[in-house]
Amino acid sequence: GENVEQHPSTLSVQEGDSAVIKCTYSDSASNYFPWYKQELGKRPQLIIDIRSNVGEKKDQRIAVTLNKTAKHFSLHITETQPEDSAVYFCAASEPGGGADGLTFGKGTHLIIQP
Amino acid sequence: GAVVSQHPSWVICKSGTSVKIECRSLDFQATTMFWYRQFPKQSLMLMATSNEGSKATYEQGVEKDKFLINHASLTLSTLTVTSAHPEDSSFYICSALGGRSVSYNEQFFGPGTRLTVL
Repeated sequence: GENVEQHPSTLSVQEGDSAVIKCTYSDSASNYFPWYKQELGKRPQLIIDIRSNVGEKKDQRIAVTLNKTAKHFSLHITETQPEDSAVYFCAASEPGGGADGLTFGKGTHLIIQP
Repeated sequence: GAVVSQHPSWVICKSGTSVKIECRSLDFQATTMFWYRQFPKQSLMLMATSNEGSKATYEQGVEKDKFLINHASLTLSTLTVTSAHPEDSSFYICSALGGRSVSYNEQFFGPGTRLTVL
């Protein structure tokens, strides 16, 4: 099965700086890579996703890059704000008729220092 | 659109009892629903995949006789934790795949159910 590694486990950045979280996956057949933001006790919120036919995607301050050859993908947050503080999870989904569970990374606790 | 609800939001039960958690897709039909478990300060772990009208597919290490899943309709899946024990205490989150999201793999998550077994 799929295995997703996520680094770092904790990331502290100054407000206004950029934050980068990196993930690697093991199954070259995986084709969908979402990123979630989760606040304590709440559901994961999809913030951006990328599919294997695309190398980069951007949505305002958030961007995701995918390197299929190296099997890694990264989340980039620019101009960080206090409300960006949360736990971020990357995930990967294997193809299977469009109905696949997600394999999550272990999460990154992002702390934005004022 | 694409709203998923769960009930109850939290439950406390005695050891040995069974607890049922409902997951509903409110504004779309979910061909597939997923159940995840999240222990404190840990990641989400997929427990099982539930397809309407068929048996659930369980991940390795998840006891199908302990975690009973029923997907009776395109808008409802239930997870029953049977003979619950303190180690089953966790945050249980469902997600649903359906409608336009089927071709994109996007899952819509429920708000989660906090289970505490005394």
